[in-house]
Amino acid sequence: ETGVTQSPTHLIKTRGQQVTLRCSSQSGHNTVSWYQQALGQGPQFIFQYYREEENGRGNFPPRFSGLQFPNYSSELNVNALELDDSALYLCASSHLWRDGADYGYTFGSGTRLTVV
Amino acid sequence: EDKVVQSPLSLVVHEGDTVTLNCSYEVTNFRSLLWYKQEKKAPTFLFMLTSSGIEKKSGRLSSILDKKELFSILNITATQTGDSAIYLCAVRPIDAGNNRKLIWGLGTSLAVNP
Repeated sequence: ETGVTQSPTHLIKTRGQQVTLRCSSQSGHNTVSWYQQALGQGPQFIFQYYREEENGRGNFPPRFSGLQFPNYSSELNVNALELDDSALYLCASSHLWRDGADYGYTFGSGTRLTVV
Repeated sequence: EDKVVQSPLSLVVHEGDTVTLNCSYEVTNFRSLLWYKQEKKAPTFLFMLTSSGIEKKSGRLSSILDKKELFSILNITATQTGDSAIYLCAVRPIDAGNNRKLIWGLGTSLAVNP
């Protein structure tokens, strides 16, 4: 059973609305990464948070934003939803050491977002 | 541009068959290659490979990396219906900004029929 939990599991929104997805990281992990996986595609990196700060970002517009909290859980916010935002959103937690090494890249079960 | 290519995209076999899944990559500053199994939602970790020629093995699954030819293979022997899933390959580059972005392939969809 995975130590990373995501909520909600499924969500239906209409175009133009805003959505917040949540992810709790595995105990002992300090980093959360978010991915978007469209049907039939591999996951696409959105961004990563390390110690409450954004630590890298993929090719996603600014309407995709995030937060990480002191307990290392994280939120993904998407504003002005578009039909193409329909996808499985995965978060993964890991532990990043100061020397740059990391371990324990563990995925949550994802949130299925449908935009209509 | 960094990319990871998996083949075949889809595969249908019978129980007991042996399958080989391929993952080739073109990634600047390679650090490691990872294999994941995705059945419904969460990809589950299978292997991480960093060195050429060293086979990683877990039960009926095994994997090996060739850093000279830039590819990896995942073998599954004596397949079972429970092996039906999408198998994803991802490469992690070394990034000066400590960005832990993984570059993913599209996956191989494996269906094992009884």
